[in-house]
Amino acid sequence: GNSVTQMEGPVTLSEEAFLTINCTYTATGYPSLFWYVQYPGEGLQLLLKATKADDKGSNKGFEATYRKETTSFHLEKGSVQVSDSAVYFCALRSGQAGTALIFGKGTTLSVSS
Amino acid sequence: NAGVMQNPRHLVRRRGQEARLRCSPMKGHSHVYWYRQLPEEGLKFMVYLQKENIIDESGMPKERFSAEFPKEGPSILRIQQVVRGDSAAYFCASSPSGRMTGELFFGEGSRLTVL
Repeated sequence: GNSVTQMEGPVTLSEEAFLTINCTYTATGYPSLFWYVQYPGEGLQLLLKATKADDKGSNKGFEATYRKETTSFHLEKGSVQVSDSAVYFCALRSGQAGTALIFGKGTTLSVSS
Repeated sequence: NAGVMQNPRHLVRRRGQEARLRCSPMKGHSHVYWYRQLPEEGLKFMVYLQKENIIDESGMPKERFSAEFPKEGPSILRIQQVVRGDSAAYFCASSPSGRMTGELFFGEGSRLTVL
């Protein structure tokens, strides 16, 4: 079946450090890939997405590239801020009609000043 | 355009009682999804509904849990005879279509505590 594996957290960084959160997936066909972010006490918000191989999603300084050959969608940001502290979820939606988003377990990021 | 509205935000029940969680999707959205978030376990898919139809309930426990999305009114996730293990945050999401490239829009969640 479809699944998403994310690196375990928590990830603790200083402000302006470089961020990578690894995400790999298993899916039939060619899924769409997403990163969602959850701030404390809130629901999830879409951060970025990519819908086909080699697409790069980007938003708010975050980037992720859909790598079909390595089945990966790693999240990166060149310089993190304290306000980026949140839980980040990698997710996929398969090409079959009528399927929902499947999430990874989430990675907690904590950025200190 | 109001976002996905969930209520109640917090619900406390004693073991054996029933819990009803409501979700009003965004205007124009006819697809609703329920997820459960347990500490340290991330988000687990439960059920996917389109107006009056259950599309996928593969993540729903076989007993005590049910969901509906009637023609009129909100989607409801119902948990009968709650147990302590049902304590979790339940999130609802909606989308205008079932396209695989489409974004899901999430509510702020309903946090159920079972005493």
